[in-house]
Amino acid sequence: DAGVIQSPRHEVTEMGQEVTLRCKPISGHNSLFWYRQTMMRGLELLIYFNNNVPIDDSGMPEDRFSAKMPNASFSTLKIQPSEPRDSAVYFCASSLRLGRTGGELFFGEGSRLTVL
Amino acid sequence: AQTVTQSQPEMSVQEAETVTLSCTYDTSESDYYLFWYKQPPSRQMILVIRQEAYKQQNATENRFSVNFQKAAKSFSLKISDSQLGDAAMYFCAYAASGTYKYIFGTGTRLKVLA
Repeated sequence: DAGVIQSPRHEVTEMGQEVTLRCKPISGHNSLFWYRQTMMRGLELLIYFNNNVPIDDSGMPEDRFSAKMPNASFSTLKIQPSEPRDSAVYFCASSLRLGRTGGELFFGEGSRLTVL
Repeated sequence: AQTVTQSQPEMSVQEAETVTLSCTYDTSESDYYLFWYKQPPSRQMILVIRQEAYKQQNATENRFSVNFQKAAKSFSLKISDSQLGDAAMYFCAYAASGTYKYIFGTGTRLKVLA
């Protein structure tokens, strides 16, 4: 399997612009996560999908952030409008088994976002 | 609330030597899982080793092993015969059974000296 695929790998944009990050989870995985990593705050869970349904979006910082999962093989994280404080590495991760089985998270390579 | 603490921001080890990375956690749960993830400069986080709390035996994966002390809530990672490719950030993580929320520590940067 190709693993979790994220795009773009790097994104530089100007404040106020819309940013869309994309993720293709591992085929067959039913759980998808979006994380944000910064030096100051470490790894933060933004949103969790199970079977394409958003279960927990309490980590989404503001209404400027939105995420969708239209089908089992694709998810997007959108920031509109972007701000310099959104600069971070955004990770997508997927998993097959969670909960009682303590499933492994499979991470993508991340999208490094820089907002000028 | 559950927390994960990695008190060593940075560690160094000579190639071929052994190093131990520390992790402590706090939880009131009795059934949970602990993980060590490696994040090399390429950024992708990769699972190194996993421990189920109900298992008393320490997990081992080749050169990587853990010292799981449930009563002390300690979960250290030992890397034997360190290699240059082991240089990375290492994150300790916790997940309670029945939940999707993984709690990550702040990470330890491991440098391997040739």
